[in-house]
Amino acid sequence: RKEVEQDPGPFNVPEGATVAFNCTYSNSASQSFFWYRQDCRKEPKLLMSVYSSGNEDGRFTAQLNRASQYISLLIRDSKLSDSATYLCVVPSYSGGGADGLTFGKGTHLIIQP
Amino acid sequence: NAGVTQTPKFRVLKTGQSMTLLCAQDMNHEYMYWYRQDPGMGLRLIHYSVGEGTTAKGEVPDGYNVSRLKKQNFLLGLESAAPSQTSVYFCASSFRGLGANVLTFGAGSRLTVL
Repeated sequence: RKEVEQDPGPFNVPEGATVAFNCTYSNSASQSFFWYRQDCRKEPKLLMSVYSSGNEDGRFTAQLNRASQYISLLIRDSKLSDSATYLCVVPSYSGGGADGLTFGKGTHLIIQP
Repeated sequence: NAGVTQTPKFRVLKTGQSMTLLCAQDMNHEYMYWYRQDPGMGLRLIHYSVGEGTTAKGEVPDGYNVSRLKKQNFLLGLESAAPSQTSVYFCASSFRGLGANVLTFGAGSRLTVL
């Protein structure tokens, strides 16, 4: 299995709908996980962290399924401004290693009016 | 608060030319990184630094050199550019330890090698 895998999409979703996508990882030792958001031709920016208990921030919910080794991102009441590429990031180490982050290739989301 | 600043934003080189990308951060971060992003490949780590005066190789270091003479600056050099180095380059920085999991990126430098 590749270290971090994401469905590249694109996911075409009507405005106001709920959309969810997953990211699978191979390193069972990873303790924390992250979703970054990248707008077209811009830099990635941290969206949210994912902990064992999950994480919710407004319309965004991130969850971890450690048994099946995947994390998910759910977006409710999607907005046009949610259109972006969402990158899954998995540390290779249980601590903070400078070279230990593996980025997924991203899932491209398009919210349609 | 500027965060992470990269210069230049765009550059076109001919094969064999050399150039240096400059990254500067004003957040007093210990760690700094250079990534490249290519279509279908995702972000790949070129080199990184855990502190002033230190550098280390990442996943794809060949053809690049780096230096970190000052804590706030991280330079990426291409000694003899090749078309395969056409890419978007992102610099990033972070705190150390668990803080290394949270990166702040610069706006990117788009390099084309003809």
